[in-house]
Amino acid sequence: KQEVTQIPAALSVPEGENLVLNCSFTDSAIYNLQWFRQDPGKGLTSLLLIQSSQREQTSGRLNASLDKSSGRSTLYIAASQPGDSATYLCAVSSQDQAGTALIFGKGTTLSVSS
Amino acid sequence: EAGVTQSPTHLIKTRGQQATLRCSPISGHTSVYWYQQALGLGLQFLLWYDEGEERNRGNFPPRFSGRQFPNYSSELNVNALELEDSALYLCASSRGQVSFREQYFGPGTRLTVT
Repeated sequence: KQEVTQIPAALSVPEGENLVLNCSFTDSAIYNLQWFRQDPGKGLTSLLLIQSSQREQTSGRLNASLDKSSGRSTLYIAASQPGDSATYLCAVSSQDQAGTALIFGKGTTLSVSS
Repeated sequence: EAGVTQSPTHLIKTRGQQATLRCSPISGHTSVYWYQQALGLGLQFLLWYDEGEERNRGNFPPRFSGRQFPNYSSELNVNALELEDSALYLCASSRGQVSFREQYFGPGTRLTVT
């Protein structure tokens, strides 16, 4: 059964720092991996989608990498800003549950201070 | 292009009552997924509808049910409400099954059971 873990659970950094959020999954047989952002009490905003055949995706100050064989993904945020404060969720589409749903980690809550 | 919409935003019910939550997917999306996000438990998959049919369900009791209409909008019904059903319910849509497609989330319905 696929499980997704995110470390750390919470992270506080000063504005301007570069930071890395980690995601690991137990079964490397995935179709894709998605990173989402969730503001308190709100829905999810898709940040980046990496297909299983890809190694990384970039959008603005965000870069996500995928190492399927080791079951790891990282989300790199450059030059962090207070507006980046939110919970970041990693989710995989697992081949053992094709079409079922995304399997989510519990998220990393990021706080960027000015 | 309008995003995924959900109604109502907030819903307050008493234990034992029934709740109905609604979701309209992005135009052109045929798959609708429902997730529950209860405090401390992370996002849990509830139900998946595609082309009007229930395709799969998560590990939830039968009192969680729903349907998808011909216009691909969807309804989630929760019968015999229990206190632990209090959560944020998120709807997501995709153009086909999520194994290969990016999933887009709505803002959620906050259900409170007293």
